[in-house]
Amino acid sequence: DAKTTQPPSMDCAEGRAANLPCNHSTISGNEYVYWYRQIHSQGPQYIIHGLKNNETNEMASLIITEDRKSSTLILPHATLRDTAVYYCIVRVAGGGHSNYQLIWGAGTKLIIKP
Amino acid sequence: GAGVSQSPRYKVAKRGQDVALRCDPISGHVSLFWYQQALGQGPEFLTYFQNEAQLDKSGLPSDRFFAERPEGSVSTLKIQRTQQEDSAVYLCASSLGGGNGYTFGSGTRLTVV
Repeated sequence: DAKTTQPPSMDCAEGRAANLPCNHSTISGNEYVYWYRQIHSQGPQYIIHGLKNNETNEMASLIITEDRKSSTLILPHATLRDTAVYYCIVRVAGGGHSNYQLIWGAGTKLIIKP
Repeated sequence: GAGVSQSPRYKVAKRGQDVALRCDPISGHVSLFWYQQALGQGPEFLTYFQNEAQLDKSGLPSDRFFAERPEGSVSTLKIQRTQQEDSAVYLCASSLGGGNGYTFGSGTRLTVV
C-alpha cells in the first residue's frame, strides 16, 4: 500500500502558485519524498525529490516539514500545461535490488483554470 | 533513443487472444521496469530487470503474464489468453541504476473486448 495520502483533486488559477499537499506520517528516516506527474495519455514524469531540506529545480519547489510527516509541492506560476495527476511517493533512494519499486497512490488531479 | 519507446500505442484484443507489448529503453539503461495502470489509479509494479536478468516478477498478476529481456535491452511483456480485467495501460520505465532516474514511456493502452 502507498505510504502517502493526497487530496483527490485541486483547482488552481493560471498564473498563480499551485500548492499540492502530501501526508506521509509513517515515513522512515532513510526514505525520500518523490514527486511525479502524469499528463493525460503520457507516462509519469519525474519532478523533484528530497530528504529533509527544501529543494528547488526548474520545475518546482518541495517543502518538507521539520518532522518530515508532510510535504508540499509548489508550482510557482501554474500554466494550463501543468494540468495533470501529481503523485507523491516515499521510498529509499539510491540503487540496490531492494530499493527500486515505486508504490503509487491515486495522486491529486490538478486542474489549472484560465 | 532519446526516451523510452513503447509499441503499440494502443492495442485492442479479443478475449482469449495473446498479446505482446514492446519496450525500447533508453540506450545504456541497465534497469527496466513494467507497471500496470488501471483507469483512475496509480501504476502498479509488475516486474523488474537488471540487464537480461529478471530479478523480481512478484507483481505479475497471474501465470498468463510473462516478460523477457533476452539481450538486456528491448523487453517484451506477453499476456496469454487475455481477459477483460487485463485492460489497462502498461507502462515501461528504465533507469541507469536500480532506483533513481526513472524515465517512463508513454505506455500501451490495452483494451480486451
